[in-house]
Amino acid sequence: SYELTQPPSVSVSPGQTASITCSGDKLGDSYVSWYQQKPGQSPVLVIFQDDRRPSRIPERFSGSNSGRTATLTISGTQAMDEADYYCQAWDSSTAVFGTGTKVTVL
Amino acid sequence: QVQLVQSGAEVKNPGASVKVSCKASGYTFTDYYMHWVRQAPGQGLEWMGWISPNSGGTNYAQNFQGRVTMTRDTSISTAYMELSRLRSDDTAVFYCARGYYYGSGSKYYFDNWGQGTLVTVPS
Repeated sequence: SYELTQPPSVSVSPGQTASITCSGDKLGDSYVSWYQQKPGQSPVLVIFQDDRRPSRIPERFSGSNSGRTATLTISGTQAMDEADYYCQAWDSSTAVFGTGTKVTVL
Repeated sequence: QVQLVQSGAEVKNPGASVKVSCKASGYTFTDYYMHWVRQAPGQGLEWMGWISPNSGGTNYAQNFQGRVTMTRDTSISTAYMELSRLRSDDTAVFYCARGYYYGSGSKYYFDNWGQGTLVTVPS
């Protein structure tokens, strides 16, 4: 089955840049979405179609996708960005989520 | 604004079934597919499938084939997910999520999510 692999954790200092990777076979041939999930809350869409941002999401969130790797970048990370992040893509007619990355703002 | 409101927490015995509802408001219910996602305690997100509220057509993930049934009632803008033959490892939060279709076949992103429904299956 198709798998999307993310690093289990990423640590970042406030104001610095956090990069979260998502790897999978031919991932660059698909669109990738990213979801933020804070403890006890539902996931929230932060990036769709690789690099597009919903209007309510701050500009510090950006995305890219090429080759085997998609990347979610949080520029000027704030304490409120501490959360789990999941990438998601489609394998034919099946949605696949990444393994998830816990972002800690130290 | 778009809202997806799910039914409350459930405790079910092993072997039983559970039916979770998701009431949509703030948009035309039949215009968007509804997806369901499972999240076991401390674990990641797992897609279960979708239902087309317009046609009633469904597409289930292989892991849930034969155990999951998704239905809808358009008169009350509500989608349902029923999972049968429950096991202790089905203990999880179940989310409904609206799928925004972006073409290229069966491709969606999930732009609005319900608050989640905790289903507990004691071992």
